[in-house]
Amino acid sequence: DTGVSQNPRHKITKRGQNVTFRCDPISEHNRLYWYRQTLGQGPEFLTYFQNEAQLEKSRLLSDRFSAERPKGSFSTLEIQRTEQGDSAMYLCASSLRGTGTGIGTQYFGPGTRLLVL
Amino acid sequence: GQNIDQPTEMTATEGAIVQINCTYQTSGFNGLFWYQQHAGEAPTFLSYNVLDGLEEKGRFSSFLSRSKGYSYLLLKELQMKDSASYLCAVKAGYQKVTFGTGTKLQVIP
Repeated sequence: DTGVSQNPRHKITKRGQNVTFRCDPISEHNRLYWYRQTLGQGPEFLTYFQNEAQLEKSRLLSDRFSAERPKGSFSTLEIQRTEQGDSAMYLCASSLRGTGTGIGTQYFGPGTRLLVL
Repeated sequence: GQNIDQPTEMTATEGAIVQINCTYQTSGFNGLFWYQQHAGEAPTFLSYNVLDGLEEKGRFSSFLSRSKGYSYLLLKELQMKDSASYLCAVKAGYQKVTFGTGTKLQVIP
């Protein structure tokens, strides 16, 4: 499978616990993005990486959220001290840096659905 | 900031044509995407427009007018499997992509 993969697909946790999600992008893609999506809304940008560098971070991302991409391949998103408001689908996408039609198009993984009780 | 507007819901008949509109306001416009998202699934890429005009891809076409801040997605020969949310997304600058809230399309027999 050469698409974007995310693990786990579903996570149920209790308020106050920490959770970590993993994203494996398409292998030749050097850009990786994290989004959060709640019911009836479009994906909201959280952060993005070019290779291992985190180049932009949304103001939506509180101090409880941290993302890493240590070797420029897979990425992790950690949420500390989860709150019920963190319940959402967390989507990862990847794209290829460059020029030309369609370059920069983001391809999404299946998402991790988080439920905080 | 960016502002993207699209209708919340639409209903259309199987076999018909439907047009989903999207208007946007942004600075540094650098392209517009359409994605399809079935319930509980991730968005899948449909089209990308960066220049004015119509891009056709099978049953799906997308149009862009940069001067009007306007795009539409045209779906022909509607099938039941086309029932999904359709997301308009605008790219500003080099990376930042902002999504609209999506248009939920219901195809009825």
